[in-house]
Amino acid sequence: SSELTQPPSVSVSPGQTARITCSGDALPKKSAYWYQQKSGQAPVLVIYEDSKRPSGIPERFSGSSSGTMATLTISGAQVDDEADYYCYSTDTSLDHRVFGGGTKLTVL
Amino acid sequence: EVQLLESGGGLVEPGGSLRLSCAASGFSFSTYAMSWVRQAPGKGLEWVAGFSGSGGYTFYADSVKGRFTISRDNSKNTLYLQMNSLRAEDTAIYYCARDYYSSGYYCDNWGRGTLVAVSS
Repeated sequence: SSELTQPPSVSVSPGQTARITCSGDALPKKSAYWYQQKSGQAPVLVIYEDSKRPSGIPERFSGSSSGTMATLTISGAQVDDEADYYCYSTDTSLDHRVFGGGTKLTVL
Repeated sequence: EVQLLESGGGLVEPGGSLRLSCAASGFSFSTYAMSWVRQAPGKGLEWVAGFSGSGGYTFYADSVKGRFTISRDNSKNTLYLQMNSLRAEDTAIYYCARDYYSSGYYCDNWGRGTLVAVSS
């Protein structure tokens, strides 16, 4: 998989919509995944296969992908959503696994 | 409930060795591929090594190839990472993660991590 590029930071006010982008040349062919990592905690999967939400993840989290860009959208962001968010992509092998550089989301 | 518990981290001198363990429970360990992912202080996530669920295949990031060895003991539901010739740049929290395959492999469950510090 090729490199994935994310903005270093995104800031929104509570209740606003936060959008975090991830760009990569391989994304038209490969699925994107998103992880949330709160301070001092392990990453948690919030979106898989571009737009699917694991059980237990609030509906305000959604994902989309078009061309070379994937987007994580948090509708009505809450203070509790403050975290680092990482996109991820891979091909069908076990060893081509790439994380984006991460985006720090601030909600205040 | 899937549970992954890492252990074995600590302070080691450059050039030294360390073995990490990951005790898994709550799922059929032998049928899943597993990975180690690390995070240097203040940095992003880096996939380090993976072990297939069947076939015994292992995979490594270029940054650790030839120095780290991933292994598993399915009878003990435990994943290992043997780290040799450690460098300062290996300092990180090391996470054990379960791999799930759909259109590709991704980590669907993570442990809390264990800290490895390489320093003299």
